[in-house]
Amino acid sequence: DAGVTQSPTHLIKTRGQQVTLRCSPKSGHDTVSWYQQALGQGPQFIFQYYEEEERQRGNFPDRFSGHQFPNYSSELNVNALLLGDSALYLCASKTWTVYGYTFGSGTRLTVV
Amino acid sequence: AQRVTQPEKLLSVFKGAPVELKCNYSYSGSPELFWYVQYSRQRLQLLLRHISRESIKGFTADLNKGETSFHLKKPFAQEEDSAMYYCAPPGGSYIPTFGRGTSLIVHP
Repeated sequence: DAGVTQSPTHLIKTRGQQVTLRCSPKSGHDTVSWYQQALGQGPQFIFQYYEEEERQRGNFPDRFSGHQFPNYSSELNVNALLLGDSALYLCASKTWTVYGYTFGSGTRLTVV
Repeated sequence: AQRVTQPEKLLSVFKGAPVELKCNYSYSGSPELFWYVQYSRQRLQLLLRHISRESIKGFTADLNKGETSFHLKKPFAQEEDSAMYYCAPPGGSYIPTFGRGTSLIVHP
């Protein structure tokens, strides 16, 4: 089982650009959440997807959007990138009815 | 809103010493609490959840509703326990809400 896989692993973008990050959940998982982890901080919840709908959202602006596909994979889109968006973006998956997430290794986004 | 406080940013102990990583939470409902761990160059992973009352890698965590605490304990620390530890009470729909974490360093 490959667990949660994220792509790409590293990404460099210019301020003002748009970026798409991708996540494949662990086999059997149907719920995906995205987190932003700035250097030296704990992961901050962005949003959660289940049944292709956004179910919960953290305190992030509308520049952050997402999508979940019928195969449960997910994308995180960030528009109009700011320098402050530089962080490690984590995808986590689980089965809707159980607790405890399985995390991916993350995508390191650097905005210059 | 649910919040968690991990008062220690860094905890440094010697091998064989007892370890207690502190976590205090604010949660309006009946809490379902987790500890996550991140070893160097590895992904974040679930260590344990309080409701299971299990011991993982020698760690236990007791929920104290009176003190609203969920401290992580281990009687004898090992070098391989060195890692970043996150207390994660749930937010809405039991989504983990992470604190800033405590870096545990176990010296030989």
